Amino acid sequence: DSGVTQTPKHLITATGQRVTLRCSPRSGDLSVYWYQQSLDQGLQFLIQYYNGEERAKGNILERFSAQQFPDLHSELNLSSLELGDSALYFCASSSTPGQGGELFFGEGSRLTVL
Amino acid sequence: DQQVKQNSPSLSVQEGRISILNCDYTNSMFDYFLWYKKYPAEGPTFLISISSIKDKNEDGRFTVFLNKSAKHLSLHIVPSQPGDSAVYFCAASKEFSGNTGKLIFGQGTTLQVKP
Repeated sequence: DSGVTQTPKHLITATGQRVTLRCSPRSGDLSVYWYQQSLDQGLQFLIQYYNGEERAKGNILERFSAQQFPDLHSELNLSSLELGDSALYFCASSSTPGQGGELFFGEGSRLTVL
Repeated sequence: DQQVKQNSPSLSVQEGRISILNCDYTNSMFDYFLWYKKYPAEGPTFLISISSIKDKNEDGRFTVFLNKSAKHLSLHIVPSQPGDSAVYFCAASKEFSGNTGKLIFGQGTTLQVKP
């Protein structure tokens, strides 16, 4: 158990819809990262938040957005969903960005867009 | 632009033998490298790391080698055990050049260790 909690574990929805994925980081971790893993692909970095502020942005589509709340949990919002958005979405956390590099991952949220 | 590449999608080895997983990177600014292991239905878990000031780091059965001139790293597992069967991801970051701590991952290599 990494201490990172993601909900929901599975989600099936239709094209054009909007979903929200939620992540609770490890206790005390200030930094949250979102990654996307599509079929046969590696983990693609989407976005990072540190203590409520956006810290880094990767290959995140404009239809996607995220935020980190004062209690440090984070949400990833995916809108106008397309078939290609079907993927595993991982959240990871770390205590201090840029030191040690180890991230702790949740079990992921599997999104299926039909 | 795939900055971290794992060119072997899969690897199969016999129990007790050595497993060697390879990873190449293109960005010379990367200075910290990690290997993660992932079992089905679980998130990736940290396995071992190496800083660019070293060329080898060992932790039990796992050793990571870094060849900076070739921009290549490898993970050696000796001896391999059936429980090592998983997907292994190589990752890189720019720890000492103002990076945020984000990791850039390769595509992963599926290791199967046969009893």
